Amino acid sequence: EIVLTQSPDTLSLSPGESATLSCRASQAVTRTYLAWYQQRPGQAPRLLIYDTSRRATGIPDRFSGSGSGTDFSLIISRLEPEDFAMYYCQQYGDSPYTFGQGTKLEIK
Amino acid sequence: EEQLVQSGAEVKKPGESLKISCQGSGYGFTTYWIGWVRQMPGKGLEWMGIVHPDDSETIYSPSFQGLVTFSADKSINTAYLQWSSLKASDTAVYYCARHLGFKYFNSHFYYMDVWGKGTTVTVSS
Repeated sequence: EIVLTQSPDTLSLSPGESATLSCRASQAVTRTYLAWYQQRPGQAPRLLIYDTSRRATGIPDRFSGSGSGTDFSLIISRLEPEDFAMYYCQQYGDSPYTFGQGTKLEIK
Repeated sequence: EEQLVQSGAEVKKPGESLKISCQGSGYGFTTYWIGWVRQMPGKGLEWMGIVHPDDSETIYSPSFQGLVTFSADKSINTAYLQWSSLKASDTAVYYCARHLGFKYFNSHFYYMDVWGKGTTVTVSS
């Protein structure tokens, strides 16, 4: 199965700054079938990005995704207080689908 | 509004059986696969597999094959996750999620766009 490794484990930033979260796959992700999810404490995950760069319904354009092959990124510009949460990447190009271990975005 | 409503928290003893549910509304429930995701305490997300509500076809992650059973009852727009004999290591939050994408022969490519709020399962003697 494909192993996804996210970096960094924790990212400390201030509101208004930009965040870059990375996700590296142990082998190429089929046809860039990679998604990003946000999970706030005590809540279910929420889909942000699918197909590497397509924003889900209702997701502001401050969130953007990019990448190909084995290296993918989620960029969040102009951080808002509600953006500080856990973020997971997930590949769905090969079964079983796998998630990264997560990056915690915390307020500095 | 498209939503998935999950059954309430459960506290069980090791060896007991359990079936939790996930009811969809606001969309054609039989159109999309429903999957299950485990989150153990303080840990990340693990994809368990999917069930198609229309014909109850299932696809399991190898990590969960034989340990759990997925099913669905399309007459009441509900999917289920069940255990025949719980272990303490089954303690986790279980999320159901609608899977969007497509299937091509034996391959499938689905991401998860609508999530339930989760069912907390605690297994303790």
